[in-house]
Amino acid sequence: AQSVTQLDSQVPVFEEAPVELRCNYSSSVSVYLFWYVQYPNQGLQLLLKYLSGSTLVKGINGFEAEFNKSQTSFHLRKPSVHISDTAEYFCAVRPMGGNEKLTFGTGTRLTIIP
Amino acid sequence: DTGVSQNPRHKITKRGQNVTFRCDPISEHNRLYWYRQTLGQGPEFLTYFQNEAQLEKSRLLSDRFSAERPKGSFSTLEIQRTEQGDSAMYLCASSLDGLDGYTFGSGTRLTVV
Repeated sequence: AQSVTQLDSQVPVFEEAPVELRCNYSSSVSVYLFWYVQYPNQGLQLLLKYLSGSTLVKGINGFEAEFNKSQTSFHLRKPSVHISDTAEYFCAVRPMGGNEKLTFGTGTRLTIIP
Repeated sequence: DTGVSQNPRHKITKRGQNVTFRCDPISEHNRLYWYRQTLGQGPEFLTYFQNEAQLEKSRLLSDRFSAERPKGSFSTLEIQRTEQGDSAMYLCASSLDGLDGYTFGSGTRLTVV
Protein backbone atom coordinates (compact mmCIF):
# COMPACT_ATOMS: atom_id res chain seq x y z
CA ALA A 1 0.00 0.00 0.00
CA GLN A 2 1.00 3.60 -0.48
CA SER A 3 0.58 6.70 1.67
CA VAL A 4 1.28 10.38 1.04
CA THR A 5 2.06 13.01 3.65
CA GLN A 6 1.69 16.72 3.04
CA LEU A 7 2.78 18.17 6.34
CA ASP A 8 1.76 21.75 5.61
CA SER A 9 -2.00 22.15 5.49
CA GLN A 10 -1.75 25.88 4.80
CA VAL A 11 1.08 27.96 3.34
CA PRO A 12 0.79 31.76 3.11
CA VAL A 13 3.30 33.44 0.80
CA PHE A 14 3.78 37.01 -0.34
CA GLU A 15 3.28 37.70 -4.02
CA GLU A 16 6.47 37.30 -6.10
CA ALA A 17 8.16 35.32 -3.31
CA PRO A 18 9.33 31.72 -3.84
CA VAL A 19 7.39 28.79 -2.44
CA GLU A 20 8.00 25.12 -1.69
CA LEU A 21 5.18 22.70 -0.93
CA ARG A 22 6.38 19.51 0.70
CA CYS A 23 5.35 15.97 -0.16
CA ASN A 24 6.67 12.73 1.29
CA TYR A 25 5.44 9.27 0.44
CA SER A 26 5.68 5.72 1.68
CA SER A 27 5.53 2.67 -0.55
CA SER A 28 6.88 -0.87 -0.65
CA VAL A 29 7.14 -0.69 -4.45
CA SER A 30 8.38 1.89 -6.91
CA VAL A 31 5.89 4.62 -7.71
CA TYR A 32 4.95 7.28 -10.19
CA LEU A 33 4.40 10.74 -8.67
CA PHE A 34 2.01 13.56 -9.48
CA TRP A 35 1.07 17.05 -8.36
CA TYR A 36 -2.43 18.39 -8.94
CA VAL A 37 -3.95 21.82 -8.37
CA GLN A 38 -7.57 22.42 -7.44
CA TYR A 39 -9.09 25.87 -7.82
CA PRO A 40 -12.31 26.67 -5.91
CA ASN A 41 -15.33 24.74 -7.20
CA GLN A 42 -13.29 23.05 -9.89
CA GLY A 43 -11.88 19.62 -10.53
CA LEU A 44 -8.23 18.69 -10.18
CA GLN A 45 -5.79 19.76 -12.86
CA LEU A 46 -2.46 18.03 -13.45
CA LEU A 47 0.53 20.29 -12.75
CA LEU A 48 3.32 17.80 -13.42
CA LYS A 49 4.31 14.16 -13.11
CA TYR A 50 7.37 12.01 -12.61
CA LEU A 51 7.44 8.68 -14.41
CA SER A 52 11.16 8.08 -14.97
CA GLY A 53 14.37 9.78 -16.10
CA SER A 54 15.47 13.21 -14.88
CA THR A 55 14.48 13.75 -11.28
CA LEU A 56 13.72 17.44 -11.90
CA VAL A 57 10.35 17.77 -13.55
CA LYS A 58 8.90 20.95 -14.98
CA GLY A 59 5.17 21.54 -15.18
CA ILE A 60 2.62 24.13 -16.11
CA ASN A 61 2.36 27.64 -14.68
CA GLY A 62 6.08 27.78 -13.83
CA PHE A 63 6.00 24.98 -11.25
CA GLU A 64 8.67 22.31 -10.92
CA ALA A 65 9.27 19.37 -8.60
CA GLU A 66 12.23 17.20 -7.72
CA PHE A 67 12.01 13.50 -7.01
CA ASN A 68 14.33 12.33 -4.25
CA LYS A 69 14.20 8.56 -3.94
CA SER A 70 16.42 8.31 -0.85
CA GLN A 71 14.24 10.78 1.04
CA THR A 72 11.01 9.53 -0.58
CA SER A 73 10.07 13.11 -1.35
CA PHE A 74 8.60 15.03 -4.27
CA HIS A 75 8.52 18.68 -3.24
CA LEU A 76 6.86 21.27 -5.46
CA ARG A 77 8.52 24.65 -6.04
CA LYS A 78 7.92 27.92 -7.80
CA PRO A 79 10.46 30.75 -7.83
CA SER A 80 7.93 33.59 -7.89
CA VAL A 81 4.24 33.18 -7.08
CA HIS A 82 1.29 35.14 -8.39
CA ILE A 83 -2.13 35.88 -6.95
CA SER A 84 -3.61 33.40 -9.43
CA ASP A 85 -1.63 30.56 -7.76
CA THR A 86 -3.99 30.67 -4.78
CA ALA A 87 -5.45 27.15 -4.71
CA GLU A 88 -5.28 23.72 -3.06
CA TYR A 89 -2.36 21.55 -4.13
CA PHE A 90 -2.39 17.76 -3.90
CA CYS A 91 0.48 15.33 -4.18
CA ALA A 92 -0.36 11.81 -5.37
CA VAL A 93 1.40 8.52 -6.04
CA ARG A 94 0.59 5.46 -8.12
CA PRO A 95 2.43 2.16 -7.96
CA MET A 96 4.35 1.01 -11.00
CA GLY A 97 2.74 -2.07 -12.46
CA GLY A 98 -0.88 -3.00 -12.98
CA ASN A 99 -2.57 -1.18 -10.09
CA GLU A 100 -3.80 2.20 -11.34
CA LYS A 101 -5.08 3.55 -8.04
CA LEU A 102 -3.91 7.08 -7.23
CA THR A 103 -3.29 7.77 -3.54
CA PHE A 104 -3.54 11.43 -2.60
CA GLY A 105 -2.22 13.49 0.27
CA THR A 106 -4.54 15.70 2.31
CA GLY A 107 -3.56 18.79 0.36
CA THR A 108 -1.84 22.13 0.99
CA ARG A 109 -3.78 25.35 0.70
CA LEU A 110 -1.54 28.00 -0.85
CA THR A 111 -2.59 31.56 -0.12
CA ILE A 112 -0.84 34.41 -1.89
CA ILE A 113 -0.66 37.65 0.04
CA PRO A 114 -0.63 40.80 -2.13
CA ASP B 1 -13.20 17.38 -26.83
CA THR B 2 -14.76 19.21 -23.89
CA GLY B 3 -13.06 17.14 -21.21
CA VAL B 4 -14.65 14.99 -18.53
CA SER B 5 -18.27 15.89 -17.88
CA GLN B 6 -20.16 15.07 -14.69
CA ASN B 7 -23.85 15.45 -14.00
CA PRO B 8 -25.47 16.75 -11.96
CA ARG B 9 -23.12 19.34 -10.45
CA HIS B 10 -25.07 19.36 -7.20
CA LYS B 11 -27.49 16.91 -5.64
CA ILE B 12 -29.41 17.31 -2.40
CA THR B 13 -31.27 14.24 -1.25
CA LYS B 14 -33.05 12.98 1.83
CA ARG B 15 -31.49 10.23 3.87
CA GLY B 16 -32.60 6.83 2.62
CA GLN B 17 -33.12 7.89 -1.00
CA ASN B 18 -31.18 6.49 -3.94
CA VAL B 19 -29.06 8.73 -6.14
CA THR B 20 -27.26 8.21 -9.44
CA PHE B 21 -24.44 10.26 -10.92
CA ARG B 22 -23.20 10.21 -14.48
CA CYS B 23 -19.71 10.68 -15.89
CA ASP B 24 -18.84 11.18 -19.56
CA PRO B 25 -15.09 10.71 -20.07
CA ILE B 26 -12.90 12.02 -22.86
CA SER B 27 -13.99 9.95 -25.84
CA GLU B 28 -10.71 8.23 -26.65
CA HIS B 29 -9.93 7.38 -23.01
CA ASN B 30 -10.53 3.73 -22.16
CA ARG B 31 -9.90 4.11 -18.44
CA LEU B 32 -12.39 5.70 -16.06
CA TYR B 33 -12.01 6.28 -12.31
CA TRP B 34 -14.30 7.35 -9.47
CA TYR B 35 -13.02 9.18 -6.39
CA ARG B 36 -14.69 10.71 -3.35
CA GLN B 37 -13.48 13.88 -1.67
CA THR B 38 -14.64 15.19 1.69
CA LEU B 39 -13.89 18.61 3.13
CA GLY B 40 -10.24 19.04 4.04
CA GLN B 41 -9.19 15.73 2.58
CA GLY B 42 -7.61 14.53 -0.61
CA PRO B 43 -9.61 12.44 -3.05
CA GLU B 44 -10.08 8.78 -2.07
CA PHE B 45 -10.17 6.05 -4.69
CA LEU B 46 -13.48 4.24 -5.13
CA THR B 47 -13.25 2.17 -8.31
CA TYR B 48 -11.96 2.06 -11.85
CA PHE B 49 -12.81 0.63 -15.24
CA GLN B 50 -10.82 -0.31 -18.28
CA ASN B 51 -13.33 -0.22 -21.07
CA GLU B 52 -16.44 -1.88 -19.60
CA ALA B 53 -14.57 -4.06 -17.12
CA GLN B 54 -14.51 -2.96 -13.47
CA LEU B 55 -10.94 -3.86 -12.49
CA GLU B 56 -10.70 -2.65 -8.92
CA LYS B 57 -13.05 -1.63 -6.17
CA SER B 58 -12.03 0.02 -2.91
CA ARG B 59 -12.94 -1.46 0.45
CA LEU B 60 -14.43 1.99 1.12
CA LEU B 61 -17.21 1.09 -1.28
CA SER B 62 -19.97 -0.53 0.70
CA ASP B 63 -22.63 -2.75 -0.82
CA ARG B 64 -24.82 0.34 -1.18
CA PHE B 65 -22.52 1.66 -3.89
CA SER B 66 -22.47 0.34 -7.43
CA ALA B 67 -20.78 1.60 -10.57
CA GLU B 68 -21.26 0.59 -14.17
CA ARG B 69 -19.77 1.39 -17.53
CA PRO B 70 -22.00 -0.64 -19.81
CA LYS B 71 -20.52 0.14 -23.21
CA GLY B 72 -17.10 1.33 -22.19
CA SER B 73 -18.10 4.95 -22.65
CA PHE B 74 -20.04 6.83 -19.94
CA SER B 75 -20.27 5.56 -16.39
CA THR B 76 -22.83 5.79 -13.61
CA LEU B 77 -22.31 5.65 -9.86
CA GLU B 78 -25.37 4.74 -7.80
CA ILE B 79 -25.71 5.08 -4.06
CA GLN B 80 -28.65 3.26 -2.49
CA ARG B 81 -30.23 4.17 0.85
CA THR B 82 -28.07 7.27 1.24
CA GLU B 83 -26.66 8.18 4.65
CA GLN B 84 -25.40 11.52 5.92
CA GLY B 85 -21.86 10.15 5.80
CA ASP B 86 -22.19 9.85 2.03
CA SER B 87 -22.16 13.64 1.72
CA ALA B 88 -19.07 14.46 -0.32
CA MET B 89 -17.80 15.53 -3.71
CA TYR B 90 -17.76 12.62 -6.14
CA LEU B 91 -15.06 13.01 -8.78
CA CYS B 92 -14.71 11.17 -12.04
CA ALA B 93 -11.50 11.00 -14.06
CA SER B 94 -10.44 9.39 -17.30
CA SER B 95 -7.12 8.37 -18.79
CA LEU B 96 -5.72 7.05 -22.04
CA ASP B 97 -3.03 4.78 -20.63
CA GLY B 98 -2.98 5.30 -16.88
CA LEU B 99 0.24 7.31 -17.07
CA ASP B 100 -0.99 10.50 -18.69
CA GLY B 101 -2.04 12.03 -15.40
CA TYR B 102 -5.80 11.48 -15.44
CA THR B 103 -8.21 14.23 -16.48
CA PHE B 104 -10.72 15.03 -13.75
CA GLY B 105 -14.24 16.33 -14.08
CA SER B 106 -15.61 19.14 -11.92
CA GLY B 107 -17.38 16.68 -9.67
CA THR B 108 -20.86 16.11 -8.29
CA ARG B 109 -21.43 17.50 -4.82
CA LEU B 110 -23.82 15.31 -2.85
CA THR B 111 -25.55 16.58 0.26
CA VAL B 112 -27.64 14.12 2.26
CA VAL B 113 -30.09 15.80 4.67
